[in-house]
Amino acid sequence: QVQLVQSGAELKRPGASVRVSCKASGYTFTSYYLHWVRQAPGQGPEWMGWINPNTGDTTYAQKFHGRVTLTRVPSISTAYMELTWLTSDDTAVYYCTRDADPGGIYVRFDPWGQGTLVTVSS
Amino acid sequence: QSALTQPASVSGSPGQSITVSCTGTSSDVGSYDLVSWYQQHPGKAPKLMIYEVSKRPSGVSTRFSGSKSGNTASLTISGLQAEDEADYYCCSYASSSTFPVVFGGGTKLTVL
Repeated sequence: QVQLVQSGAELKRPGASVRVSCKASGYTFTSYYLHWVRQAPGQGPEWMGWINPNTGDTTYAQKFHGRVTLTRVPSISTAYMELTWLTSDDTAVYYCTRDADPGGIYVRFDPWGQGTLVTVSS
Repeated sequence: QSALTQPASVSGSPGQSITVSCTGTSSDVGSYDLVSWYQQHPGKAPKLMIYEVSKRPSGVSTRFSGSKSGNTASLTISGLQAEDEADYYCCSYASSSTFPVVFGGGTKLTVL
């Protein structure tokens, strides 16, 4: 079955960087856009960006521009999200999710990874 | 972020129907039929319930339906069941270069 499995929880100091991985299985990795979405405690989801796993092309929410980098390694069907210059406001659960129609952006997010809790604290 | 506007909470009794609204602008909900809805139970990842305004993924109950009028999308749940109690979020593609994908702030559904 289609599945996204993310790396484990992280505890980071303010000013540090974090990298979260998202390993895909059960489908052709390069055929579907991957999105990253975060959710702060008690808040709604917040879209961060997408990556075309085939070409590596990315689009980011302007709020995160310059701090977030999305990459992928097709040979191992894995995508990565790196966020730099962390502050306490970045404490959230970070999700990867697949756009469920191939080849484009349809805002049809299915499935989702299990989420990775990133805690930023001194 | 220009989040879509949802009511903070709605409630209904078992068997009743409820509707959750999601108001955007002419740059997002009003311009694209790329509106989706997600159900989230505490501690779980969101689950796709509706996509492209009114389409249901395989496996989602027919009690869930979606619609759109102008800049407002709606999710209707009929025949409420206890397991429907959850948070619901809408999401839309947008023409904004700063935020091409926007979520709603979420609606807490309580089944009385």
